[in-house]
Amino acid sequence: EAGVAQSPRYKIIEKRQSVAFWCNPISGHATLYWYQQILGQGPKLLIQFQNNGVVDDSQLPKDRFSAERLKGVDSTLKIQPAKLEDSAVYLCASSYRDYGYTFGSGTRLTVV
Amino acid sequence: GNSVTQMEGPVTLSEEAFLTINCTYTATGYPSLFWYVQYPGEGLQLLLKATKADDKGSNKGFEATYRKETTSFHLEKGSVQVSDSAVYFCALNAGGTSYGKLTFGQGTILTVHP
Repeated sequence: EAGVAQSPRYKIIEKRQSVAFWCNPISGHATLYWYQQILGQGPKLLIQFQNNGVVDDSQLPKDRFSAERLKGVDSTLKIQPAKLEDSAVYLCASSYRDYGYTFGSGTRLTVV
Repeated sequence: GNSVTQMEGPVTLSEEAFLTINCTYTATGYPSLFWYVQYPGEGLQLLLKATKADDKGSNKGFEATYRKETTSFHLEKGSVQVSDSAVYFCALNAGGTSYGKLTFGQGTILTVHP
């Protein structure tokens, strides 16, 4: 089966600019996650969707980050405006019930 | 809250050496425990998991045993290969399932030399 697709692979922006990341989960996976992985740290959950509803967004900095999952399939994560500390790898993952938890390759964001 | 602590890295070994990467956790209830591996330029891959106390997860020669009494899930391999060079993450799911929020440790970089 195809994996979790993410784009772009790399993005460099200046602080205060906006950026968007896209994720296409594995077909049939109802649950979609966005994680932030800062260099030297483990991934941290930003938001979890079940179909197109939000299950957990307690760690999402809502003043600058937003995410949506249209029609319960693809998802977009946006940062506006970006700060230097947002430099990280943004990982998307999807799962179906108790199996199939799969991560994408991530988008590496550098804010300068 | 829930947390995972891994041994400090990086770890550098010669091929065929024995590997141990320590992992301890803090969680209420009965979490599921995981080891993930991240090869350069790739996404996280599940290496092994254990869902209840005394369970042993194993895969590709790696093993880890869920020790509730010591709240640990140490990763071991008897003979490492150069191809095992990667970053290893210990993680837990507080809900005791294999889906939902994962809480990760900080990762341990492993380098294996020929």
